[in-house]
Amino acid sequence: GAGVSQSPRYKVAKRGQDVALRCDPISGHVSLFWYQQALGQGPEFLTYFQNEAQLDKSGLPSDRFFAERPEGSVSTLKIQRTQQEDSAVYLCASSLEGGRGTGELFFGEGSRLTVL
Amino acid sequence: GQQLNQSPQSMFIQEGEDVSMNCTSSSIFNTWLWYKQDPGEGPVLLIALYKAGELTSNGRLTAQFGITRKDSFLNISASIPSDVGIYFCAGQPPPGSYQKVTFGTGTKLQVIP
Repeated sequence: GAGVSQSPRYKVAKRGQDVALRCDPISGHVSLFWYQQALGQGPEFLTYFQNEAQLDKSGLPSDRFFAERPEGSVSTLKIQRTQQEDSAVYLCASSLEGGRGTGELFFGEGSRLTVL
Repeated sequence: GQQLNQSPQSMFIQEGEDVSMNCTSSSIFNTWLWYKQDPGEGPVLLIALYKAGELTSNGRLTAQFGITRKDSFLNISASIPSDVGIYFCAGQPPPGSYQKVTFGTGTKLQVIP
């Protein structure tokens, strides 16, 4: 597609439920990032993929968070046993390549997760 | 997580006025970027800066990469209503295994027609 596509746009989960958020990056983009954005805050780094390799997952808040990108394209962020503090917008971004251009991120519209 | 410090946090200005906001970091960056986020949307890249001292313009927007590599500023001239939104700076550290992009705390801009 022309841009980064995320689904679902909105997700309401009961505490304890598992959720899966999908990201379709721009075709051909090597790098893929997940960010978490709490209300009124800037995006906070969760994890980074270069193709199918997860090179950094240092931002994942707990072992309940898991991300994958098995074929180097679509990525899924999974949150197990959701808790209220997981409520946030989850942003996916891709960039064409590593190196100098990595910072030029193209973001999706985000998936807004509300945990009741 | 660590974030860059932006100021001001928010500002109200009259249409037609110029706007200035800045961003500081405790560590050096090789790349500074400025993004704008509208409600319900993801951030959109406005300007990217790659060299200390670099001054770059994009229409009414001008941004500079600080000499110390620890700060950057963004100016918007002759503001218009569609400039409303949240502006984020972002930094990318010197090359390593990869370069994580860290975002600032944001400056919320409101323009009074």
